Parts: sequence; C-alpha cells; structure tokens
Amino acid sequence: DAKTTQPPSMDCAEGRAANLPCNHSTISGNEYVYWYRQIHSQGPQYIIHGLKNNETNEMASLIITEDRKSSTLILPHATLRDTAVYYCIVRANSGNTPLVFGKGTRLSVIA
Amino acid sequence: GAVVSQHPSWVICKSGTSVKIECRSLDFQATTMFWYRQFPKQSLMLMATSNEGSKATYEQGVEKDKFLINHASLTLSTLTVTSAHPEDSSFYICSARQKRGGADTQYFGPGTRLTVL
Repeated sequence: DAKTTQPPSMDCAEGRAANLPCNHSTISGNEYVYWYRQIHSQGPQYIIHGLKNNETNEMASLIITEDRKSSTLILPHATLRDTAVYYCIVRANSGNTPLVFGKGTRLSVIA
Repeated sequence: GAVVSQHPSWVICKSGTSVKIECRSLDFQATTMFWYRQFPKQSLMLMATSNEGSKATYEQGVEKDKFLINHASLTLSTLTVTSAHPEDSSFYICSARQKRGGADTQYFGPGTRLTVL
C-alpha cells in the first residue's frame, strides 16, 4: 500500500509556480521522500528526494515539514511540458526496497 | 548520467508466443533492478525484484514461471513473458537502483508496450 496521500489532480497556469502537496503522516525515521513524474506513455522520471532538510535541484524544490508528516514539491516556473502525473513516494533507504507507486497527482499546466 | 534503456520499445505478438524485454543501465552498474507493469489509466505495479547473480523475488500474484527474469550482469536484466495471452498486454517498465552518497535512487527505462493478439 502506498503510504502517501496526494490530490488526484491540479491545474497550474504556465509560467507560475506549481505547488504539489503530499501527506505522509506515518513516515518512519529512516524513510526518504521521493518524487517522480510520468509523462504520458513514458517511464517515470526521477525529480528529487529528501530526508528532512529542504532540497533543491535544477528541476524542482522539495519542502519537508519539520515533523516530516507532509511535503510540497515546487516547480518554480511551470511549462506545458511539465504536464504529467506526479508521484510522491516514501521509501526506506535500505537494501532492495522498491518504490511503491500510489495514484499520484495529475498536473495540467494550462497556457 | 543514470540512463536506463529498454528494448524493444514496443512489440506485437501472437497469443502463445514468448517475448523477451531487455533492460540495461547504460552508465552505471546495478546490482538490483525492478520490473513493473502498468495497465491503462492505472499506476505502476511492482512485479519483481531482480538481483544480479541470484533468483528474482516476485510479488504476490505474479507467476514466476510465466514472467521469467534473468539478471545476468550488472548492467542487464531481461524479462521474458512466456506463452503470452491478450491479458498480458500492458506497458512493462524496468528500473535500476543506483546508490549515490547516502541514498538509493531508482532510475526508470522508457518502457515497453506489449500487445498480444
């Protein structure tokens, strides 16, 4: 079972920031928060991950609350190519633990 | 870096035939690879975990004799769908685990679309 809760869909205007929320209230101390996205008919693309500190890379920023029970993925300037299903996944960083996908959030970027 | 390829990208076959799908990590070694499948309008479902040099671990409900997995090297895992039937038609996606610094990251291939007639 996926350990996260995400809204099923969101819209965002092109050029604006897209803020995608994720609840993971049962997260354990050794579990990381990972974000992936899947554009139609393609394999999932890694975006970012974090443990407890906020993280930023060339694609996005990840904000994790202090209690680690929720996080937000921020795409600072959304483009039409960012339209995809975004998956928030919690996963222990040990051994061969696979990623378990929930239903994700379908983000539609609108011109 | 961290590129994973799959071959073929799509395949159409007749019912009863076997189909082999290759998954390669192009610029890193992966002791562990994973196989998923995705039906239309659904999320990815884990099928099995493939470990280099040992037997794969299958998820509950996935027939190991039907979905043969071989992880022969640190850069190649194969999934063979034996005696394929129309209900096996799906989008098959592999991923490879890369350990960098303190955390593992899984990188995914582009997927293989299988259609069984």
